[in-house]
Amino acid sequence: AQSVTQPDIHITVSEGASLELRCNYSYGATPYLFWYVQSPGQGLQLLLKYFSGDTLVQGIKGFEAEFKRSQSSFNLRKPSVHWSDAAEYFCAVGASMDSSYKLIFGSGTRLLVRP
Amino acid sequence: DTGVSQNPRHKITKRGQNVTFRCDPISEHNRLYWYRQTLGQGPEFLTYFQNEAQLEKSRLLSDRFSAERPKGSFSTLEIQRTEQGDSAMYLCASSSGTGPYEQYFGPGTRLTVT
Repeated sequence: AQSVTQPDIHITVSEGASLELRCNYSYGATPYLFWYVQSPGQGLQLLLKYFSGDTLVQGIKGFEAEFKRSQSSFNLRKPSVHWSDAAEYFCAVGASMDSSYKLIFGSGTRLLVRP
Repeated sequence: DTGVSQNPRHKITKRGQNVTFRCDPISEHNRLYWYRQTLGQGPEFLTYFQNEAQLEKSRLLSDRFSAERPKGSFSTLEIQRTEQGDSAMYLCASSSGTGPYEQYFGPGTRLTVT
């Protein structure tokens, strides 16, 4: 079955500290992987994506993610968190076996930033 | 590029009433998606349009739900005889091309059924 798991429901970090949000996927074909961020009451904003090639991808707002096929993981990282990064983060896999390429999302990780 | 817009942003309705939401995708995006997001969960796929053709529907989309995309431009999602379980955020997204291009999301319509 296709699924995305984000094991951490909440994560709290201090401003200026590093961040890693975990994402594991289960998908039978080539995964197209995405990280989105959602602020309260807002839609989702794309942070970064992985389709192929270099397994370390850079995104907006200083985020990066690393695709590890052997671990079925696509973890999101940021070296120094800012208070404005407090939001909910969603990992998603694009269903490449479907012509729709619909997104299958994890349940999200809520990031809290301590001043 | 004005982004994906959705109207209304909020809708409160009584159980049993019909509601309709509108999504205006990014112009010239041929793909349009509807997702539903309940509290504490990630969005779940509802349906997909390529141009004006509705090509895929989730099993989540019961017979009370119908979606259209006339002329391949804006889309509407109608829920008939609303139930309290329909309370959720309804998100619209659009993308271009024929491959796994990134989807751009609108701000969503929050539905509350009382």
